[in-house]
Amino acid sequence: DIQVTQSPSSLSASVGDRVTITCRASQSISTYLNWYQQKSGKAPKLLIYAASSLQSGVPSRFSGSGSGTDFTLTISSLEPEDFATYHCQQSFSTPRTFGQGTKVEIK
Amino acid sequence: EVQLVESGGGLVQPGGSLRLSCAASGFAFTSYAMSWVRQAPGKGLEWVSSLSGGGGSAYFADSVKGRFTISRDNSKNTVYLQMNSLRVEDTAVYYCAKDPYSAGTASHFDYWGQGTLVAVSS
Repeated sequence: DIQVTQSPSSLSASVGDRVTITCRASQSISTYLNWYQQKSGKAPKLLIYAASSLQSGVPSRFSGSGSGTDFTLTISSLEPEDFATYHCQQSFSTPRTFGQGTKVEIK
Repeated sequence: EVQLVESGGGLVQPGGSLRLSCAASGFAFTSYAMSWVRQAPGKGLEWVSSLSGGGGSAYFADSVKGRFTISRDNSKNTVYLQMNSLRVEDTAVYYCAKDPYSAGTASHFDYWGQGTLVAVSS
């Protein structure tokens, strides 16, 4: 199985900050990497698929990059509604595996 | 608008069974694979199972293989997860999720339901 490791596990940031979350796969997965946002008590929501494609309706302050084993989710300017947990997921092979999540908290 | 509504969760004793349902609307149900993803309390997300759009190909995580089955009734736009021989470690919120393709093999999940809680405890 492909292991996916996210870092950091949590971070504190202020509104307006630029935030970067990374995800590393245990083997090359090309660009088969996706990002989700999950607010407390709610279902995950797809933000980015195929490493850098923005899901319809997602604000452009969210962006993704990377290929191979190293990937990044960037929030260019943090908004109050962006405080949440972010998960990455590889879709290169079954089983589909997720990172452990990164909680973005208010500083 | 895509909607996925799960039901069937609850409290069950170890070794018991439960069937989850997910009613879908707002898209051409038979054209897309459907999946189940779970999240144990305070933990990350874990893919559980996927079923192709036509229902002919099913995939399972090793942790549930042989105990869970997945099926769909395309006439009712509903996907099911039959969970047998439940263990304490199966306790989680179970989410129904839509795949963007028909195959059911590895892909992202483009829409999610609100989840249903399964608690396995004596």
